[in-house]
Amino acid sequence: ETGVTQTPRHLVMGMTNKKSLKCEQHLGHNAMYWYKQSAKKPLELMFVYSLEERVENNSVPSRFSPECPNSSHLFLHLHTLQPEDSALYLCASSLYRDEYNEQFFGPGTRLTVL
Amino acid sequence: QKEVEQNSGPLSVPEGAIASLNCTYSDRGSQSFFWYRQYSGKSPELIMFIYSNGDKEDGRFTAQLNKASQYVSLLIRDSQPSDSATYLCALKGSARQLTFGSGTQLTVLP
Repeated sequence: ETGVTQTPRHLVMGMTNKKSLKCEQHLGHNAMYWYKQSAKKPLELMFVYSLEERVENNSVPSRFSPECPNSSHLFLHLHTLQPEDSALYLCASSLYRDEYNEQFFGPGTRLTVL
Repeated sequence: QKEVEQNSGPLSVPEGAIASLNCTYSDRGSQSFFWYRQYSGKSPELIMFIYSNGDKEDGRFTAQLNKASQYVSLLIRDSQPSDSATYLCALKGSARQLTFGSGTQLTVLP
């Protein structure tokens, strides 16, 4: 496979469930990102992993927990979500986390929380 | 003030016309600017990036950057119905993370 892949593509879960989103990049990049995209709102950066560094948006609730076991894989663990967490979750990667490296997005996971 | 402002549209242009998409930003430290295209139900796709003041052309697309006035624009020449999508303006500054606008929805009418 090429580029950035995400699984699952669609997920429906109840508020008491625990699930994980998976992202894999095949581009040899060193930085990976999780974004949330809600209707009519700008893309919101949730987490960044770059080499040994992790950066998180302080407004992201603790019910979202990222994991980056290596530079090619990124997970987003979900637990006790709320209906307002329903959104498109996008993974992206870039060569490095600097001003000039463009980010490439995966196809996204459409999450619905009931 | 929003960090990145875009006219949400919808912007409609006839096929063959020039579509002009504009974006203003507040962070003077912004270094790099990106235009992404997002089709409905799909993920954003990078179409242009620009770092220096002036114009940058790639096929039918031209990105224009004016750091003094804090705006960046995207021109699409000879617009096609397949260009109908939401166009996202994004920028990176010293924080080294992309900040996105809400996007402009473009419709090219056959």
